[in-house]
Amino acid sequence: AQSVAQPEDQVNVAEGNPLTVKCTYSVSGNPYLFWYVQYPNRGLQFLLKYITGDNLVKGSYGFEAEFNKSQTSFHLKKPSALVSDSALYFCAVRDARGFQKLVFGTGTRLLVSP
Amino acid sequence: DAGVIQSPRHEVTEMGQEVTLRCKPISGHNSLFWYRQTMMRGLELLIYFNNNVPIDDSGMPEDRFSAKMPNASFSTLKIQPSEPRDSAVYFCASRGLAGVQETQYFGPGTRLLVL
Repeated sequence: AQSVAQPEDQVNVAEGNPLTVKCTYSVSGNPYLFWYVQYPNRGLQFLLKYITGDNLVKGSYGFEAEFNKSQTSFHLKKPSALVSDSALYFCAVRDARGFQKLVFGTGTRLLVSP
Repeated sequence: DAGVIQSPRHEVTEMGQEVTLRCKPISGHNSLFWYRQTMMRGLELLIYFNNNVPIDDSGMPEDRFSAKMPNASFSTLKIQPSEPRDSAVYFCASRGLAGVQETQYFGPGTRLLVL
């Protein structure tokens, strides 16, 4: 079975500091990994994904994530946080085989203080 | 591209009434997903379609919920009869061909309140 864990309900960071939002996953085969962001009263917006290739993936708004197969992790990072980055972040995974559905984590709330 | 379109954006109804939520996926996408989001349960996949065919409806809470996709550009999620515990935000998402290019894109959601 597929699963994804976001161990932190909330991450607090000061503006200008680097941020990391953690995600670990479990799949039987090769993973497809995704990060989404949700702003208040909005739908989920796609940030970035890892399907194959380079382990470091760059996405929208200066975010990046590193796929680490040995640690089964896909942490989201940004070198310098902005107050406008404050939102709810979801990690998602699916097994690359067949029609497996995308499984979402419980979400991590990021608060960036001025 | 207009993205995934959902209607209505907000729905307030009374317990026992029928509710129909609508979704228009991105043109050319062949998979469609219905999710429900609540504070208590987070984001839950209810059902998804591939080429208009339901693939997995194991997330549909009970028989009061039904979903259809009569063609590639339209889907409905129906709740009959509705109950207060159905109050949530319902999202529709669509995806192109599975594989290297795949990404699910979400609509803005329908906020449902059942009184």
